[in-house]
Amino acid sequence: DSGVTQTPKHLITATGQRVTLRCSPRSGDLSVYWYQQSLDQGLQFLIQYYNGEERAKGNILERFSAQQFPDLHSELNLSSLELGDSALYFCASSGGGGTSGQGPFFGPGTRLTVL
Amino acid sequence: GQNIDQPTEMTATEGAIVQINCTYQTSGFNGLFWYQQHAGEAPTFLSYNVLDGLEEKGRFSSFLSRSKGYSYLLLKELQMKDSASYLCAVRDPQNTGFQKLVFGTGTRLLVSP
Repeated sequence: DSGVTQTPKHLITATGQRVTLRCSPRSGDLSVYWYQQSLDQGLQFLIQYYNGEERAKGNILERFSAQQFPDLHSELNLSSLELGDSALYFCASSGGGGTSGQGPFFGPGTRLTVL
Repeated sequence: GQNIDQPTEMTATEGAIVQINCTYQTSGFNGLFWYQQHAGEAPTFLSYNVLDGLEEKGRFSSFLSRSKGYSYLLLKELQMKDSASYLCAVRDPQNTGFQKLVFGTGTRLLVSP
């Protein structure tokens, strides 16, 4: 158990809908990273928040947005869903240091299926 | 940007040794990571290299050559539970002070009896 929690574990919805994925980082971690993993593809970085502020952005679609709240949990909002958005969405967290030899810790993921 | 290459799939026998290679091209370098990921599960951290050489951790070792843009993960005394994907990742040097990782597509390892 990495200490990172994600809800829900599974989500099935229809095209055009909007969903919210939730992540709680490990205790004490200030950074949250969101990744998307489609079938047979690698982990694609979406966005990073640090202590409530956006710090880095990857190839995140305009239909997707995220935020980190004062209690440090984060939410990833996906709207106008398309079939191609079906994927595993992982949240990871890390402390404030960038030279640590310990990589970020990943949550169990949310499996999104768009029908 | 960063580009990371790994073999797509490898097979090996229980009890054997396997080496999974990773080559990368990055603008700057700030550390290389290996993660293990069982199907449908979260990636879990295996090893980290930032200096050239070999890092050993039990049955797993990881090697780095920064001049060659090359790393490998060595798994000894393979067990059936080692069947998983192994992900090579580099820390984004532009993401100073943080842990944003750029991942390769992963190598699926199948261990047979």
